[in-house]
Amino acid sequence: AQSVAQPEDQVNVAEGNPLTVKCTYSVSGNPYLFWYVQYPNRGLQFLLKYITGDNLVKGSYGFEAEFNKSQTSFHLKKPSALVSDSALYFCAVRDINSGNTPLVFGKGTRLSVIA
Amino acid sequence: EPEVTQTPSHQVTQMGQEVILRCVPISNHLYFYWYRQILGQKVEFLVSFYNNEISEKSEIFDDQFSVERPDGSNFTLKIRSTKLEDSAMYFCASSKSGGANEQFFGPGTRLTVL
Repeated sequence: AQSVAQPEDQVNVAEGNPLTVKCTYSVSGNPYLFWYVQYPNRGLQFLLKYITGDNLVKGSYGFEAEFNKSQTSFHLKKPSALVSDSALYFCAVRDINSGNTPLVFGKGTRLSVIA
Repeated sequence: EPEVTQTPSHQVTQMGQEVILRCVPISNHLYFYWYRQILGQKVEFLVSFYNNEISEKSEIFDDQFSVERPDGSNFTLKIRSTKLEDSAMYFCASSKSGGANEQFFGPGTRLTVL
């Protein structure tokens, strides 16, 4: 069975500082990994994904994530946080070998960027 | 840029009533999904739909729920005999294909069962 863990309910960071939102996953095979962001009263918005190849993937709004197979992690990062990055962030996984199985989401991490 | 749209944005209903939540997926997408998010909790998969039939469903998606693609554009979720615990945000999503393709989510319908 697939699962995702986001160990932090809340991450606080000062504007201009680097941010990291952590995610670890568990699948039986190889993973497809995704990050989504949810702003208040809005749906989930796709940020980036890892499929194969380069372990560092770049996405929207200056975000990037690093796939680490040995640590089964896919942490989301940004070099310089903006107040407008404050939102709820979800990591999701799908097993490559499981056909069209649904995305399995973590419980979310609330990012608060303080001016 | 094309978007997934959902109506209504907020639905209030009495316990035991039937509700239909509507979604218009992105036009060239072939896979459709419903997820729900109970307040303060994580996003949970309900059902996926491809080629006019359910391809996968979770244990949440019992006989109380059904999905339909009544025409070429709409994708609906029907909840019969609603219960208090059905109160949640319901998200529709679509993707071009399965596998590596990202799913695009609508803004959600907030269902409140009184």
